[in-house]
Amino acid sequence: QVQLQESGPGLVKPSQTLSLICTVSGGSITSGGYYWSWIRQPAGKGLEWIGRIYPNGETNYNPSLKSRVTISIDTSNNQFSLKLSSVTAADTAVYYCGKDLLSGTSQGGIANWGQGTLVTVSS
Amino acid sequence: QSALTQPPSASGSPGQSVTISCTGTSSDVGDYNYVSWYQQHPGKAPKLMVYEVTKRPSGVPDRFSGSKSGNTASLTVSGLQADDEADYYCSSYAGNYNWVFGGGTKLTVL
Repeated sequence: QVQLQESGPGLVKPSQTLSLICTVSGGSITSGGYYWSWIRQPAGKGLEWIGRIYPNGETNYNPSLKSRVTISIDTSNNQFSLKLSSVTAADTAVYYCGKDLLSGTSQGGIANWGQGTLVTVSS
Repeated sequence: QSALTQPPSASGSPGQSVTISCTGTSSDVGDYNYVSWYQQHPGKAPKLMVYEVTKRPSGVPDRFSGSKSGNTASLTVSGLQADDEADYYCSSYAGNYNWVFGGGTKLTVL
């Protein structure tokens, strides 16, 4: 069973760039052709899909965040990462990484989730 | 404001059934049979309970069932158990490689 673990700074200053890494264990990030996603959840609020990446580097982003988001993949280290630029307090949230249920498509939802990591944007 | 609308709360007694709605538009829920439902216990990551409107991932009890009519999807939990008390979120494909979530429904088992 694949496991995912988010890591990165828990505190980021306003206007700076939030950077997180998701490390995948228990299987290769390139095996089976699955999409890998980032999702966030502000405290006490709902989930928000940030974007996804395929092992070949193909990405898709939430239109509302697209201008500030970059998702990349490091297949040699079995990791994928999130960068969110020009952050404000509104970007404070628990950030999750995830793996799709179905191969080659995100239509089946996200079956495997990391435990989540809280990122606070504050000076 | 979330893209999909869910009631903030729902409740039922043990053994009863409860249905949670998820209302979108003709551009998401109404246009695609790609609705998923997630269960989230406090402090935990979400868990996929239903996908493609009606399908259940391996290991999810058949007490959880999904349906859709027009722009509204629904999750029904039958035979309520104490451990079903959690937040539930719907999600839908919204076209152009974009996915949207609902605001969540807190299910209370009385």
